[in-house]
Amino acid sequence: NAGVTQTPKFQVLKTGQSMTLQCAQDMNHNSMYWYRQDPGMGLRLIYYSASEGTTDKGEVPNGYNVSRLNKREFSLRLESAAPSQTSVYFCASSEWRGSNYGYTFGSGTRLTVV
Amino acid sequence: QKEVEQNSGPLSVPEGAIASLNCTYSDRGSQSFFWYRQYSGKSPELIMFIYSNGDKEDGRFTAQLNKASQYVSLLIRDSQPSDSATYLCAADSGYALNFGKGTSLLVTP
Repeated sequence: NAGVTQTPKFQVLKTGQSMTLQCAQDMNHNSMYWYRQDPGMGLRLIYYSASEGTTDKGEVPNGYNVSRLNKREFSLRLESAAPSQTSVYFCASSEWRGSNYGYTFGSGTRLTVV
Repeated sequence: QKEVEQNSGPLSVPEGAIASLNCTYSDRGSQSFFWYRQYSGKSPELIMFIYSNGDKEDGRFTAQLNKASQYVSLLIRDSQPSDSATYLCAADSGYALNFGKGTSLLVTP
C-alpha cells in the first residue's frame, strides 16, 4: 500500500542513549515533516524538509537532528535522549496540489526515555 | 507564535445528531485549513480541507471558513458512534501545518 512508513513503532531508551527514527514515503512527495505529539500539547513541528536536499527547524528542534537522505527518506536522530523526549513521533509527507493537498501521516513511533 | 485554538472537549452528542466542531486561528496569512480525525493510538487522517470562504461539503462532513473572523468549523451530520475520535484543526503556515490541540468527540448510542 502506498503511504508513509515509520520504524520502529515502539522504542524504550535509557537517558543519554542515541537512536534514529526512520521514515520513508512512496508517493513521490517533495515535502516531509517530523512532529511530536504529547498529551495536552497537540502536534508540534520538530523539523521539515521542503524538498530533497533542504531541511529547516520547526517549533521544537532542540535535541534533534534530521537527514533528508533522498526524496523518499527523512530520518530523525536523537543524539542523547532525555526523559522530556518521551513522546509519540509522527512523520508526514505532502504535495501541495490538487486532491493530494494535505499531509499523509505515518503510523507513529512511541518513544519512552527512562 | 501562530496559534490554532480548539476547545478540548469532550463534546458529547447523541447518535444521529449534528456535531459542531470549532477552531480559531491567529495568522491572517494562513490560506488553507484542514480537518483531521485521530482515533486513540492511531495517526491523524485527513477529512477535508478548505481554502475559500463559505462552506465545503463532502458526504456527512461540511467545513466552514470565515477568514474575516478567522474561524473554521466542521459539521458532522448524522453522527455515528464510529465518529468518536479527536478532531484536529490545522492551518497552513506557508511551509508546514500548525495544529490545534484537538477536540474530543463522543457520539453516544
